[in-house]
Amino acid sequence: SQKIEQNSEALNIQEGKTATLTCNYTNYSPAYLQWYRQDPGRGPVFLLLIRENEKEKRKERLKVTFDTTLKQSLFHITASQPADSATYLCALDSWGKLQFGAGTQVVVTP
Amino acid sequence: GAVVSQHPSRVICKSGTSVKIECRSLDFQATTMFWYRQFPKQSLMLMATSNEGSKATYEQGVEKDKFLINHASLTLSTLTVTSAHPEDSSFYICSARGLAGGNNEQFFGPGTRLTVL
Repeated sequence: SQKIEQNSEALNIQEGKTATLTCNYTNYSPAYLQWYRQDPGRGPVFLLLIRENEKEKRKERLKVTFDTTLKQSLFHITASQPADSATYLCALDSWGKLQFGAGTQVVVTP
Repeated sequence: GAVVSQHPSRVICKSGTSVKIECRSLDFQATTMFWYRQFPKQSLMLMATSNEGSKATYEQGVEKDKFLINHASLTLSTLTVTSAHPEDSSFYICSARGLAGGNNEQFFGPGTRLTVL
């Protein structure tokens, strides 16, 4: 397995701004990388998947980039809303299994 | 999207008792189900992978005799925590992966909060 690092400090952001989260990994580049949203006391909800040969993926106000040279993925929430407040997890494929980061909490204030 | 349910959502038990948690895929057939454990402020840790009709594969450090997994059908997997102790208190989450789907997406259940007194 490899080490997956996400910012442990909460990201506080004003409504309407763009939130940018980082996911760094240490070893081999996975075939794909996923981002999930997790609300307190709930299971993760799938948001986006990006493959190793893709540089960028978008879904509505969400954007994910994947740089295998830097071993990093960035997750952007544009035009953030208070409803976007949650913990966001990145997960790497590891031989068909997912390995999760600890997540970054995002707090969007009106 | 595909729905995965878990039952119960919350359970409190005495030390030494066994607890069974069910994971169901409601609208698709799940060839593979995964069981995770999550402690507060920590990441989801994979405990085991189960394929329908075969024995579960446990991750290193997970006691297979303590965490019994049964995947009897394509829509149901169960996790039984045997002789539970306070250190087993955690948030247990299952996920399921279907027969089709090119994006290897896993669908997660809502989780089960286990508290062992």
